[in-house]
Amino acid sequence: GAGVSQSPSNKVTEKGKDVELRCDPISGHTALYWYRQSLGQGLEFLIYFQGNSAPDKSGLPSDRFSAERTGGSVSTLTIQRTQQEDSAVYLCASSFRLAGVPSSYNEQFFGPGTRLTVL
Amino acid sequence: DAKTTQPNSMESNEEEPVHLPCNHSTISGTDYIHWYRQLPSQGPEYVIHGLTSNVNNRMASLAIAEDRKSSTLILHRATLRDAAVYYCILSGRNTGNQFYFGTGTSLTVIP
Repeated sequence: GAGVSQSPSNKVTEKGKDVELRCDPISGHTALYWYRQSLGQGLEFLIYFQGNSAPDKSGLPSDRFSAERTGGSVSTLTIQRTQQEDSAVYLCASSFRLAGVPSSYNEQFFGPGTRLTVL
Repeated sequence: DAKTTQPNSMESNEEEPVHLPCNHSTISGTDYIHWYRQLPSQGPEYVIHGLTSNVNNRMASLAIAEDRKSSTLILHRATLRDAAVYYCILSGRNTGNQFYFGTGTSLTVIP
């Protein structure tokens, strides 16, 4: 079946511009995560959505970063006034949340990522 | 952060077994041990997870120490396609919604 998809696969932008990154999770998955991976580093958690609950935004690095998830499916990560340090691969993952089980127990399925380059 | 410690890199010859270690001395009783791997230019993919008992699946085996302070991911016969960064991650009630990915172990498979 279809996995997690992300678009665009690559994005080059100029410093100060806004960018939007899109994630299409696996159908039926209620949980959605955004991560950032800088060159040679591990993944850095950004934000988590679960159903209709308020998102966990604890990983967002600044108020220039925001995300929304419409209709419990597609998610958009927006970075305003991009800076060169925002250059990274942005990864999206989704999982099926079992009732009564903490979200972090469930297998996450990752998309291929969006490589963002800020010039 | 839920801390795990892994070697930065390891090498293995093709078709030989590989043992990838992970230390997690601060693990709590309800934390699961997950392993993911990331092939070049791809997102991470699930490998295996366990709680207390050793686990086997089609990809790998997970050996968990009796005190749960360390674990070992075992690839029984390394192939060139197994060359990847392997991440050992703890998750549970104390880690909330997050998986804490460290820098992992970069596995090189030598033909």
